[in-house]
Formats: sequence, C-alpha cells, structure tokens
Amino acid sequence: KAGVTQTPRYLIKTRGQQVTLSCSPISGHRSVSWYQQTPGQGLQFLFEYFSETQRNKGNFPGRFSGRQFSNSRSEMNVSTLELGDSALYLCASSLGLQPGTNSYEQYFGPGTRLTVT
Amino acid sequence: QKEVEQNSGPLSVPEGAIASLNCTYSDRGSQSFFWYRQYSGKSPELIMFIYSNGDKEDGRFTAQLNKASQYVSLLIRDSQPSDSATYLCAVNGEESNDYKLSFGAGTTVTVRA
Repeated sequence: KAGVTQTPRYLIKTRGQQVTLSCSPISGHRSVSWYQQTPGQGLQFLFEYFSETQRNKGNFPGRFSGRQFSNSRSEMNVSTLELGDSALYLCASSLGLQPGTNSYEQYFGPGTRLTVT
Repeated sequence: QKEVEQNSGPLSVPEGAIASLNCTYSDRGSQSFFWYRQYSGKSPELIMFIYSNGDKEDGRFTAQLNKASQYVSLLIRDSQPSDSATYLCAVNGEESNDYKLSFGAGTTVTVRA
C-alpha cells in the first residue's frame, strides 16, 4: 500500500507571498493532520481534517488554513509568509476513527521543506 | 496546553546494549501513546503505539505505559548503529474528540559501534 505523499518536497518563497502545500493520505485513510516542525519549537499541531471537516485546530494564526477534498486529499495554505514560517511541514494520515484504538495511528509523509527569504 | 516531556539527551549507548527512553505527560485522560523514530533530514516513522497499561513488545522494542504515573517509556534491546536517531514521544489529548497529537522535544540516541 502506498504511503503518504506530499508535494512539493522543497519550496523557496519570499516574505509576503502565499504558498499551498498538498498531501495525499494512505488509501482508505480519511483523517489528515498537519504539523509544523522547527528546530526551536519541535513538532506542533496545525489542524486535522476528517471527511472534509476540520475537527481540531492548533494555536496558529489565521494565515494558516487548510481544507480536505472528498477523496481525502488535503491542502494547507499559508498567506503573507513570514521568515518564521520557514519549517518542515508534515502531514500525517490515519483512519481517524477513535483515540485509544488501533484506528488512530498516524503515519507521516516525507514533508515539505519551506524556506522563506 | 498539554505537555509532553522527554528525558534530555543525547543518549549514547554501546552496540548491543539497552537504550531506555522516558516520557511523561500532563493530561491524565490521554488515551493514545506513540513512539516515532526520526532520522536526520527525514520525517517521523511510527515504531510503537500503546493504549493500555503494561508492556507491549515488538521485536527489539518494548513500550511501557503507566497511566497512574502518567509515564510511558521505550526500551530498545540489542541496540544497533541503525537505531541512531531522534525518538519522539507523542500523546493524544484527554477529550474524546481530540484527534491531535502533542509531541515531546525528542531524545537523540547514538549507538556506538
């Protein structure tokens, strides 16, 4: 079974621009979560989608947004990029049915490394 | 704000030894506990998950969970140089509709040949 795929893998943008990242989950998985990883803050949760609905949101500004399509693929968008947005953006997929069960394990994609100059 | 704390590293162990990694969490009602391995420049890879108190073994890895003490650990037996990586502890929230994971800062393990 194919794993989680993310595109693009690398991206260089300028401050003030916007960017869209894409994630395709493992076949059959309906939950997609997005995380930001930086050396200083570690892995931080952005948001989670299940069946096109956002179920949870982390403590990030409104410049960070996402959506999920009917085929479970997800995109996240960052508008008005800042230097501090430079990070590895990871998406993870799971069946997403119930915490505390084996339907909840999250599998990460390879990530998109975003550099803002 | 949920907190997940991991023992500070780096942890250096000789090949063939046992590496012991510890993690504590703040939300008493957390239900799901995961260990991820992350090689430098790569994304996290799920290696163990545990939901019930006690031990869970998978090959050379053993996860131990004690919900009363809010403590989860990972033992790596017969450590190999390929085990050299950063290990991340992750915990889900207390609410039944909380689907996000909170991660610790990670413990970097180096296995000396």
